[in-house]
Amino acid sequence: DAGVTQSPTHLIKTRGQQVTLRCSPKSGHDTVSWYQQALGQGPQFIFQYYEEEERQRGNFPDRFSGHQFPNYSSELNVNALLLGDSALYLCASSLGSNRANYGYTFGSGTRLTVV
Amino acid sequence: SQQGEEDPQALSIQEGENATMNCSYKTSINNLQWYRQNSGRGLVHLILIRSNEREKHSGRLRVTLDTSKKSSSLLITASRAADTASYFCATGSLDSWGKLQFGAGTQVVVTP
Repeated sequence: DAGVTQSPTHLIKTRGQQVTLRCSPKSGHDTVSWYQQALGQGPQFIFQYYEEEERQRGNFPDRFSGHQFPNYSSELNVNALLLGDSALYLCASSLGSNRANYGYTFGSGTRLTVV
Repeated sequence: SQQGEEDPQALSIQEGENATMNCSYKTSINNLQWYRQNSGRGLVHLILIRSNEREKHSGRLRVTLDTSKKSSSLLITASRAADTASYFCATGSLDSWGKLQFGAGTQVVVTP
C-alpha cells in the first residue's frame, strides 16, 4: 500500500521562474493538502483540495495555485518565484469523510531552493 | 502565524529516560495531533486526541489534553536513539475543515 508520493525530491529554480510540484495521495484517500515548511519552522497550511475543488486556503498569495485531478493526485504551482519561497513543500492526504478522526499521511516533501 | 507553541524548543536526554514536551494553542479545537519529523523530511502521524478526550496512549506514547488550559503534552517513555527527531503538535477544527495549524516543534536528541 503506497503512501503519499511527491515529485521531484529536490528542485533548484531561479527567481521569477515558475515551478510545479506533484503529489499522489495514499491509496484510498481523496483529500490532498499542501504545506510549506521553512527551515526551523513548523509547516504552514497552503490549501486543501477535495473533489477537485479548493476547499480551504491559508494565508498565501495568489502566486500559489493548485489543482486536483480525477484520480485525486494534485499539483502545486508557484509563479514568479521569490527567494523566500525556498522551503520544504509537503503534501498530506486523508479521507475527507473521516477528517476529524484520523491523522494525515504526509509525503517526504519537495525541497525547493530559489536562487 | 503558528497556532501552537511547543515547549521546550529543544530537549536532550539519554536512552532509557522519558521525554516530555508540551504544546499550547490559542483557539478552540476539534482535535490535536502529534507528528514526528526526521531530518527535515516528511511528517509521521503519531497520535490524535479529540477535544472530548483527556488522555490517550499508543505504545510508548502518552498524550494528555486540557482544553480549559488549551494545552497538551506528549510523553515518550523509555526513549531510544531512534526517537531522535523533531516533534510537532497540530490542531484541527471542524470549521476550518482540513486545515492543520502546527507549532514550531520540539527538537529531541536521544543519546545512546
